[in-house]
Amino acid sequence: GAVVSQHPSRVICKSGTSVKIECRSLDFQATTMFWYRQFPKQSLMLMATSNEGSKATYEQGVEKDKFLINHASLTLSTLTVTSAHPEDSSFYICSARDVGVDTEAFFGQGTRLTVV
Amino acid sequence: DAKTTQPNSMESNEEEPVHLPCNHSTISGTDYIHWYRQLPSQGPEYVIHGLTSNVNNRMASLAIAEDRKSSTLILHRATLRDAAVYYCILRDLAGGTSYGKLTFGQGTILTVHP
Repeated sequence: GAVVSQHPSRVICKSGTSVKIECRSLDFQATTMFWYRQFPKQSLMLMATSNEGSKATYEQGVEKDKFLINHASLTLSTLTVTSAHPEDSSFYICSARDVGVDTEAFFGQGTRLTVV
Repeated sequence: DAKTTQPNSMESNEEEPVHLPCNHSTISGTDYIHWYRQLPSQGPEYVIHGLTSNVNNRMASLAIAEDRKSSTLILHRATLRDAAVYYCILRDLAGGTSYGKLTFGQGTILTVHP
């Protein structure tokens, strides 16, 4: 099946700094990617939908100025957590849609962000 | 989106079959039933999906009730590697840019004992 790669898999940053997470579709073109966040022992919550070449669509309650999403190419979307705070510590997961596959979404392996 | 209800947790022994239930009484005619699972510290992975008929693949089987208000994911012989959170998700495949957007419930935590 199609492969989605996230980088880094784990990152620790200081409070107030920014962190960029990359999501790449390795063997297909993804016009749409999705960013999810998962707190410990909770389910995944969709943060935003990222469309190549256009602005991301954010879910209600997600601050677009804090979670910057860029989808500049058909194989790469990035999520930047700006001015990170300890409450932003979470597991961030991206998924991508392969237009040639109607059956499933493909997920990255996730990025564990810890803000200290 | 139509909602699904799953037990919080289930346990199984290795090599035994596991039946994971899901209720979706408000399912619409165009909703497909999808199952994903999430191993610890990993992103979710697709398991199986169906519309009306029972489905089999190399990972699992999906049994769908005749009225489609419930379904059961069947792992024929559980292994330790099957220990994960299993999510039952309804997905309208009508297309559009929202396609691929999944609404995750709490899922069922499956524990497999050696």
